[in-house]
Amino acid sequence: EAAVTQSPRNKVAVTGGKVTLSCNQTNNHNNMYWYRQDTGHGLRLIHYSYGAGSTEKGDIPDGYKASRPSQENFSLILELATPSQTSVYFCASGGYEQYFGPGTRLTVL
Amino acid sequence: GQQVQQSPASLVLQEGENAELQCNFSSTATRLQWFYQHPGGRLVSLFYNPSGTKHTGRLTSTTVTNERRSSLHISSSQTTDSGTYFCAIDMDSNYQLIWGSGTKLIIKP
Repeated sequence: EAAVTQSPRNKVAVTGGKVTLSCNQTNNHNNMYWYRQDTGHGLRLIHYSYGAGSTEKGDIPDGYKASRPSQENFSLILELATPSQTSVYFCASGGYEQYFGPGTRLTVL
Repeated sequence: GQQVQQSPASLVLQEGENAELQCNFSSTATRLQWFYQHPGGRLVSLFYNPSGTKHTGRLTSTTVTNERRSSLHISSSQTTDSGTYFCAIDMDSNYQLIWGSGTKLIIKP
């Protein structure tokens, strides 16, 4: 199975602060994704990428930026964090079948 | 309306009973994937199953594409099957998954 890692695993941020969530995959997948999951719900797509240098908006991109500097790394950036962005964030890689990282629990106070 | 609907929302069974989870979607799906989310949050891909029937261990997934539905059958349930099961589809062949809200399964000893 694809190996996808995320850091940090837990993060507490203050409103208005900048937050960067990092994702690394070691299986040479072209496509990578960032999702958020709110309590009791399925995942919603924030940004995705088709390869190094590419970022695309998903269903809920407002308030988020993404960066794909290399095949292996995909970052999600919250320039001005807000309490509504408190959630669990998942990174995934893959094409026909997606493989997920362990998630990052972000709390914005 | 909701594009991916899962039922039931929750299901409580005794160990040894069989579980049947349903996924219905509003548009033709080019891909369909079933996921299991551990109580601790980790997401695991169970099946990539856009059509037909697939088996792995005690799990069986059946997708009837032209009827826009898929099912996940768990036979002889175990307490370790407890968690949340998600169905996700891709309608446009662009690798963007649309997720259902999940079925929370509780298996009692």
